Amino acid sequence: DIVVTQSPDSLAVSLGERATINCKSSQSVLYSSNNKNYAAWYQQKPGQPPKLLISWASTRESGVPDRFSGSGSGTDFTLTISSLQAEDVAVYYCQQYYSPPHTFGPGTKVDIK
Amino acid sequence: EVQLVESGGGLVQPGGSLRLSCAASGFTFSDHYMDWVRQAPGKGLEWVGRIRDKANSYTTDFAASVKGRFTISRDDSRNSLSLQMNSLKTEDTAVYYCVRVFSGGYFDSWGQGILVTVSS
Repeated sequence: DIVVTQSPDSLAVSLGERATINCKSSQSVLYSSNNKNYAAWYQQKPGQPPKLLISWASTRESGVPDRFSGSGSGTDFTLTISSLQAEDVAVYYCQQYYSPPHTFGPGTKVDIK
Repeated sequence: EVQLVESGGGLVQPGGSLRLSCAASGFTFSDHYMDWVRQAPGKGLEWVGRIRDKANSYTTDFAASVKGRFTISRDDSRNSLSLQMNSLKTEDTAVYYCVRVFSGGYFDSWGQGILVTVSS
């Protein structure tokens, strides 16, 4: 099974500042035949289901603000919130969908400093 | 608009069974793989299992933690997904989400979730 880890566990960032979350998979999720990274990012606010933000490691979902961006390849990925807004307070999860079980990272809680 | 609505949750004793359902609307249900994901109280997300489409013979995959105890089925004529949970354990207590799988396998639509509590 592919193990997905995230860092940090939590972070507090001032409004308007940058937040960076890291994700690492225990093996590459880059599929060589199509050169796509099978990694996604989700946002979960309290009392709500998760919401897809980013697929294919860097493709922003329609309607997701452009302050959210994803990067990385192979085993290392990053979610960046370029200018944190109050509504971005949430837990963020990284996931690999390269092979079953489609494992999630443990989550990173983002708060306002 | 894609809608996924879970039902069937509740309180069940350890060793018991429960069947969750998910009613789908707003998209061509038969075209998509469908998954279940769960979240124990205060914990992270855990993928539970998947059922593929007719073109892929409705094959299923499960997490090791539920394999042999849980089954997934679907009725494309009714746009319905089910999760049959047997031999339930206290550690199966969680909110269960019905999830649509899109394109290469990411989860683009989630239900609101349904709580299953396994307790004596």
